[in-house]
Amino acid sequence: EVQLVESGGGLVKPGGSLRLSCAASGFTFSSYSMNWVRQAPGKGLEWVSSISSSSSYIYYADSVKGRFTISRDNAKNSLYLQMNSLRAEDTAVYYCARRSGRELHEFDYWGQGTLVTVSS
Amino acid sequence: SSELTQDPAVSVALGQTVRITCQGDSLRSYYASWYQQKPGQAPVLVIYGKNNRPSGIPDRFSGSSSGNTASLTITGAQAEDEADYYCNSRDSSGNHFVVFGGGTKLTVL
Repeated sequence: EVQLVESGGGLVKPGGSLRLSCAASGFTFSSYSMNWVRQAPGKGLEWVSSISSSSSYIYYADSVKGRFTISRDNAKNSLYLQMNSLRAEDTAVYYCARRSGRELHEFDYWGQGTLVTVSS
Repeated sequence: SSELTQDPAVSVALGQTVRITCQGDSLRSYYASWYQQKPGQAPVLVIYGKNNRPSGIPDRFSGSSSGNTASLTITGAQAEDEADYYCNSRDSSGNHFVVFGGGTKLTVL
C-alpha cells in the first residue's frame, strides 16, 4: 500500500525557517517524481514545487522561488521541503504528492498533510 | 503562468447528473486531471488523461474535454460525492509548472 506521511509542520514567526519531511513507503520511491502542494486555510490547492526521481530536474512556483528548496533522499525514501524567509501567506497545509509517471500534473497519491502556521 | 477557472459552487439533486467545468488555455494542449477533496482529508485523484479512472473510483465519474474546457461529469450523484473538486493541468508556457483551478464545491441535495 502506497503511503506518504508528512511531518515537520508547526508554528513559526515571520522570517523564520522550517523543514518539512515526507516519508514514503509501499512503492519504489526512487522511480517517481514528487511534489509539494499547499492549501491555505479555506482556500484552494496551490502547487509549490516538484523534483524528478533522480533530483535532476527541480521546479518551483514563483511564489516560493528563492525561499524554498525541495530535495529528496532516495536511500531514505524521503522528500523534503526547506522553507526559509517564511511569510504569513505561506500559512497552509502542505501535502506531498506522487507524480503518477504519466503526465507532469497527475498526482496519484497524496499524504495527509502537515500544517504550517506563520505568525508572530 | 496560465490559469484554470472553475465555478465556485454547483449543486445537484441526489441521483441526478452534474457537470463540473474547468476552463483555461493550457487545456487546449493538455488533459486536465480531477481531484476530489472532502473536509479534513487529502485530495484524491478521480480522473486523469482523456477519461481514465484510478482503481477504486466509481464509474459514475467521467471526464471529457473540448477546446479550452475540461469537464468532470458525475452520473447519478450520491450523497458521498459531496466534496470540493479541483482540476489541474500543466502550464502551457513550457516552464514545467503545474496549475490548479480554484475548486468547485459540490452540494448533493
